[in-house]
Amino acid sequence: QKEVEQNSGPLSVPEGAIASLNCTYSDRVSQSFFWYRQYSGKSPELIMSIYSNGDKEDGRFTAQLNKASQYVSLLIRDSQPSDSATYLCAVAMSGAGSYQLTFGKGTKLSVIP
Amino acid sequence: GAVVSQHPSRVICKSGTSVKIECRSLDFQATTMFWYRQFPKKSLMLMATSNEGSKATYEQGVEKDKFLINHASLTLSTLTVTSAHPEDSSFYICSARPPGTDTQYFGPGTRLTVL
Repeated sequence: QKEVEQNSGPLSVPEGAIASLNCTYSDRVSQSFFWYRQYSGKSPELIMSIYSNGDKEDGRFTAQLNKASQYVSLLIRDSQPSDSATYLCAVAMSGAGSYQLTFGKGTKLSVIP
Repeated sequence: GAVVSQHPSRVICKSGTSVKIECRSLDFQATTMFWYRQFPKKSLMLMATSNEGSKATYEQGVEKDKFLINHASLTLSTLTVTSAHPEDSSFYICSARPPGTDTQYFGPGTRLTVL
């Protein structure tokens, strides 16, 4: 069973702090990794994609990928109350066919003013 | 870019009726579209994968005769919930994949309530 694991949280951080969200995956040959943000009652919104080992930065967001450890993370700098949401890690698993993504169950982040 | 729309955003219907939900990719052609269902405070659940011009591939446990999917063009897929019952009440979300990528862009979702 190919899986994506995330801590469900809630993860609480004070406003202005760095929020660190983690994700592990079981399929060693996975190539594509995504972070989505989902506000309560809304659909997921793509934040970042990452394909190579290392860091990828986009504004206050940094995605980190370590394929050897099968680990991908999302850092949110200068966290704002508007960042409070559930963050979904998604992985394109090998052999899934039709480009399906396997989603983690999500980590709920609360940024405390 | 990469905008996906869904219609309607919300629908309330009586038990036994059928409901059609449309998913459109507005600024790209989507080779593949996906349909998900999400119950309150639960994870996304993939229902089916839809490729333009071919039959949808349903996930285990999803009744293909109840959830009819049509992907007649590169920008439109429809999900019809036939003979809806209260247990079908859920948040239905589609996503679309542009060619040459495995990124999925989600529509805003359709909240179905069956009375």
